[in-house]
Amino acid sequence: QSVLPQPPSASGTPGQRVTISCSGSNFNIGSNPVHWYRQLPGTAPKLLMYANDQRPSGVPDRFSGSKSGTSASLAISGLQSEDEAAYYCAAWDDSLNGWVFGRGTELTVL
Amino acid sequence: QVQLVESGGGLVKPGGSLRLSCAASGFTFTDYYMSWIRQAPGKGLEWVSYITSSGITVNYADSVKGRFTISRDNAKNSVYLQMNSLRAEDTAVYYCARIRTALYFDDWGQGTLVTVSS
Repeated sequence: QSVLPQPPSASGTPGQRVTISCSGSNFNIGSNPVHWYRQLPGTAPKLLMYANDQRPSGVPDRFSGSKSGTSASLAISGLQSEDEAAYYCAAWDDSLNGWVFGRGTELTVL
Repeated sequence: QVQLVESGGGLVKPGGSLRLSCAASGFTFTDYYMSWIRQAPGKGLEWVSYITSSGITVNYADSVKGRFTISRDNAKNSVYLQMNSLRAEDTAVYYCARIRTALYFDDWGQGTLVTVSS
């Protein structure tokens, strides 16, 4: 099954800005919106960003998303300790007729 | 509020079968497509299967095609995953999730653990 490349880890200090990238192909990110999920250890994933740059209710505006061509990124500004989690990108894939997820990025707040 | 509660996980021998259930509440079940997503221990997320609101259209990841069957009972607000010919690599937490029109998963259950081992 296809997996979207993501950096395995990212880190920053409190207050910093961190960006997590996600790359794909014309079958997925290039032709469909990208979504982001956050997963705290031992819990189910939760929707963090949908349709490239839309925040669900309750997600602070410190989180922002963008997409360009076959790549997408999630930016977190004003980093806080509670942002430590795994972050996954995902998109519908037209060739698979299903979803592909990113490998996941573990964010550490130093 | 939206609730998705999975059940049916457990320990099963290779080649065995298991049926997972996901009970939905807090929304109009018949308005939504539903999906199963899994996560092997220490690994990332993997989409497994989805089913349309009517149940007419389904699809599967290549890794489970021919072995898993998704279904739903709209009268019981439930979606199921029948898993046959289980392999060690099917060991994972299985999540049930609701699908929104823009093709994202907006609500997830807490997951149920399936362990395939002799």
